[in-house]
Amino acid sequence: LAKTTQPISMDSYEGQEVNITCSHNNIATNDYITWYQQFPSQGPRFIIQGYKTKVTNEVASLFIPADRKSSTLSLPRVSLSDTAVYYCLVGKAAGNKLTFGGGTRVLVKP
Amino acid sequence: SQTIHQWPATLVQPVGSPLSLECTVEGTSNPNLYWYRQAAGRGLQLLFYSVGIGQISSEVPQNLSASRPQDRQFILSSKKLLLSDSGFYLCAWSYWPPGLADSTDTQYFGPGTRLTVL
Repeated sequence: LAKTTQPISMDSYEGQEVNITCSHNNIATNDYITWYQQFPSQGPRFIIQGYKTKVTNEVASLFIPADRKSSTLSLPRVSLSDTAVYYCLVGKAAGNKLTFGGGTRVLVKP
Repeated sequence: SQTIHQWPATLVQPVGSPLSLECTVEGTSNPNLYWYRQAAGRGLQLLFYSVGIGQISSEVPQNLSASRPQDRQFILSSKKLLLSDSGFYLCAWSYWPPGLADSTDTQYFGPGTRLTVL
């Protein structure tokens, strides 16, 4: 299973862009990269998923370099409500035992 | 649309007592189902997953067990709770379309059950 490494925490201010980089040096050829967001006392929520290059949706962008050994989640113009823990996961198949690491705790300040 | 339910939302149990947490999914058929546990301030630990009725895979040996008596029902149980069983228990589902070789397993989580063992 591909192991991921992310910063433990990040602070930002309202209106700024937040970029969280995740390292996954041993990612497999058919692994996808998925990011989840978790608020306190709630289950994680799917944010975005990608395989290579760039993926963008209404919430975030995901940048994946050609070697796929890392990925960067970009949250544009964050607000206080974006304060949460963000998890990077790497895996593919059903029941693939996706491993949630410690995540990155993002604190958005006014 | 699909929805996932968990109950109870909170539970306080004495050490040595039994446990039964239930998870049900609506709006989909033959989902993959998962049980996770999250200790305070920590990441999620996968406990069990199931790809079909009666098919359970255990990830962490412990005093917990899981069962899937129906397609969209997943139950987490224990005969005797330990203090270390306290935590936030999350059920999740995903769907793997038959015959789809190249896809990924996006999981959708329920609201969770906060279990305190005293």
